[in-house]
Amino acid sequence: GQQVMQIPQYQHVQEGEDFTTYCNSSTTLSNIQWYKQRPGGHPVFLIQLVKSGEVKKQKRLTFQFGEAKKNSSLHITATQTTDVGTYFCAGLISSGSARQLTFGSGTQLTVLP
Amino acid sequence: NAGVTQTPKFRVLKTGQSMTLLCAQDMNHEYMYWYRQDPGMGLRLIHYSVGEGTTAKGEVPDGYNVSRLKKQNFLLGLESAAPSQTSVYFCASSYSGLGGYTFGSGTRLTVV
Repeated sequence: GQQVMQIPQYQHVQEGEDFTTYCNSSTTLSNIQWYKQRPGGHPVFLIQLVKSGEVKKQKRLTFQFGEAKKNSSLHITATQTTDVGTYFCAGLISSGSARQLTFGSGTQLTVLP
Repeated sequence: NAGVTQTPKFRVLKTGQSMTLLCAQDMNHEYMYWYRQDPGMGLRLIHYSVGEGTTAKGEVPDGYNVSRLKKQNFLLGLESAAPSQTSVYFCASSYSGLGGYTFGSGTRLTVV
């Protein structure tokens, strides 16, 4: 079955440092989505990338989708304590009405003040 | 606009007991999903539904059953709970299955 690998599993950074998490799929994706889950909370949708090579920005967050549509990254510039949480990528494979999102295992970000 | 509502939020079951988790969405979404989340394993799809009256198996369906009798509700049943089913369960919905999912706040289930 489809697998989505995400690294690193954990990342500790000092406030103000940058952070990057990487996602790789074993199969070509229809799109890739990113979610953030705060401690004790539920996943919240951040963004979706659809096109090969697509780059999107949300303030200090930069999302990239690889040319082959099999890998993606999330980069946070100058982390803040509000960035704490687990970041998940999720790859979508669409075949007819069968549209399943497969989640990576997540990267847990700790920001030290 | 409540979004996706899950009940209950917490539950402790004894091995062999049964229970039903309820998910309700008020966004007129066609697609609904049940995931379980375990430490270090991300979110794994249990069952999903592409519309009222339809259900399909996900990655880890064994030990669970689902029903989608009404478009806005998606029920997850455990017929005979086992300790391996201790987890946090999330329901999610999506309008077309192609865009972002909206998640409920989760149900923390412990089976002893």
